[in-house]
Amino acid sequence: AQSVSQHNHHVILSEAASLELGCNYSYGGTVNLFWYVQYPGQHLQLLLKYFSGDPLVKGIKGFEAEFIKSKFSFNLRKPSVQWSDTAEYFCAVNAHTGTASKLTFGTGTRLQVTL
Amino acid sequence: DGGITQSPKYLFRKEGQNVTLSCEQNLNHDAMYWYRQDPGQGLRLIYYSQIVNDFQKGDIAEGYSVSREKKESFPLTVTSAQKNPTAFYLCASTRDSFYGYTFGSGTRLTVV
Repeated sequence: AQSVSQHNHHVILSEAASLELGCNYSYGGTVNLFWYVQYPGQHLQLLLKYFSGDPLVKGIKGFEAEFIKSKFSFNLRKPSVQWSDTAEYFCAVNAHTGTASKLTFGTGTRLQVTL
Repeated sequence: DGGITQSPKYLFRKEGQNVTLSCEQNLNHDAMYWYRQDPGQGLRLIYYSQIVNDFQKGDIAEGYSVSREKKESFPLTVTSAQKNPTAFYLCASTRDSFYGYTFGSGTRLTVV
């Protein structure tokens, strides 16, 4: 079964700092990869997704992620964070196993941006 | 607006009682999912359903039950057999995994 690891549990950054959140998955076959964000008191929202093609994926609000197949990684980046980026971020993988489509999520990274 | 409605937002129950969480979608999505979110553990899949009248166990199905009698509805029952039911429960749906999942706003269940 696939699994997802997010090693940064809690990250604190000052506004304008650069962000990189790690995500590694374990599955040797074809995968679809996602980053979701959960702002305080709000629904989980899709930030970006990777299915195929260019491994550098751009999402909403200036976020991007790079798929590195050899490292089984899909790290999330943003050059300059804002206070409004304070939220919890979840990486998820959908492995092509031939069975039903279902996402496996990481444990999440809580990002706190200070003014 | 299309979306997923989970009700109620907060739910309190006494230990030993079964409780049913509602999930309704008007997105015409075939697949629906129930996840449980606990601090530091991310989202864990409880049950999912690809079509009406069919559903599969996820990673932590013990102590839970579901039904899928209508495309729009996927209620989750937390039974008294669930050893640690206090959690935040999220319902999701999708037409196709390419589009990602749409999530509801969640139900916070507290068992006392």
